[in-house]
Amino acid sequence: NAGVIQTPRHKVTGKGQEATLWCEPISGHSAVFWYRQTIVQGLEFLTYFRNQAPIDDSGMPKERFSAQMPNQSHSTLKIQSTQPQDSAVYLCASSLGGNTEVFFGKGTRLTVV
Amino acid sequence: GQQVQQSPASLVLQEGENAELQCNFSSTATQLQWFYQSPGGSLVSLLSNPSGTKHTGRLTSTTVTKERRSSLHISSSQTTDSGTYLCAASSNMGYKLTFGTGTSLLVDP
Repeated sequence: NAGVIQTPRHKVTGKGQEATLWCEPISGHSAVFWYRQTIVQGLEFLTYFRNQAPIDDSGMPKERFSAQMPNQSHSTLKIQSTQPQDSAVYLCASSLGGNTEVFFGKGTRLTVV
Repeated sequence: GQQVQQSPASLVLQEGENAELQCNFSSTATQLQWFYQSPGGSLVSLLSNPSGTKHTGRLTSTTVTKERRSSLHISSSQTTDSGTYLCAASSNMGYKLTFGTGTSLLVDP
């Protein structure tokens, strides 16, 4: 079990460019989450998929952020027209669903310059 | 929505001492999980404990659901225990974990 895999580990983008972050959940896990971590805001929920279907995207900034889960083995978080305030560590997590234990990946550190 | 508060914000111990970390949450939680994060490191799940008492190694978590609180006891602390301990609780609808701001633990040799 390799755990939740996130790529790339680090990404630097110029202001206004697009960034795509990738996540491979633990095999067999039906629940996939995206969170964002900054020093100022701490850990913030972004979005949640269950059995690949989007269930809750209440934490997503609406205009530039989107997330997809085209199959059970990967999810993507896309940020269009990146801004310096998007700089953060983006964390993907997965679980068996329900109230079961949630496991996090190592994160992607996004820096917008 | 769910709100999670942790105390103390920081804690300094001598190696071998015990630590007691507290987590209070504002509404009924169907999931309660403790995580460890080293500086610049990833989130590592320590214990999933929505109610009752659970042990793993030197860690003991006790969650009293009705009182909306959980604690994490670290016995015989080691320098390698240094880092940030985060508590996360779901709402009664489950699935969405809300995190506290963490307890920063430093264990001196």
